[in-house]
Amino acid sequence: DIQMTQSPSSLSASVGDRVTITCRASQGIRNDLGWYQQKPGKAPKRLIYAASSLQSGVPSRFSGSGSGTEFTLTISSLQPEDFATYYCLQHNSYLYTFGQGTKLEIK
Amino acid sequence: EVQLVESGGGLVQPGGSLRLSCAASGFTFSSYWMSWVRQAPGKGLEWVANIKQDGSEKYYVDSVKGRFTISRDNAKNSLYLQMNSLRAEDTAVYYCARDQIMDGDPFDYWGQGTLVTVSS
Repeated sequence: DIQMTQSPSSLSASVGDRVTITCRASQGIRNDLGWYQQKPGKAPKRLIYAASSLQSGVPSRFSGSGSGTEFTLTISSLQPEDFATYYCLQHNSYLYTFGQGTKLEIK
Repeated sequence: EVQLVESGGGLVQPGGSLRLSCAASGFTFSSYWMSWVRQAPGKGLEWVANIKQDGSEKYYVDSVKGRFTISRDNAKNSLYLQMNSLRAEDTAVYYCARDQIMDGDPFDYWGQGTLVTVSS
């Protein structure tokens, strides 16, 4: 099975900061990766699909990059509503796996 | 508008069974793979199982193989998860999520989740 290693597990940042979250796959997954945001008590929301495509309605300050085994989610200028937990998901095989999550907190 | 509405969660004793349902609307249900994803209290997301459009292929995470069964009824636009031999570690919010249509990208829509608690 494909393992996803996400880092950091938590991150403290301020409004206006640029932040980057990384996911590493245990084997090549082409660009079969998505990024999801989850707020407490809510269902996850897809931000990025196919590693770098922005989901409709998601602000352009979110961007994704990478292919193969290394992927990043970047938020260019943090807004108050961005403080949440973020997950990557690989779907290269039918046995999907999520990263462990990154909790983004206000500094 | 795409909607996914889960039901069937509740409190069950260890070793017991429960059947979750997900009612889909606002899209052509029979055109999509569908998945169940769960989240234990205070923990991360875990993909549980998925099923092909016609039900001919099903995949499961190792921890539920042989205990859980995913199924669907395209005539009723419904997805199911039969959970048997439940354990305390199965306690979680279970989400229904729209999967890919054809080698595409999954989980663009999610339900609100239903809580399953396994405890004596």
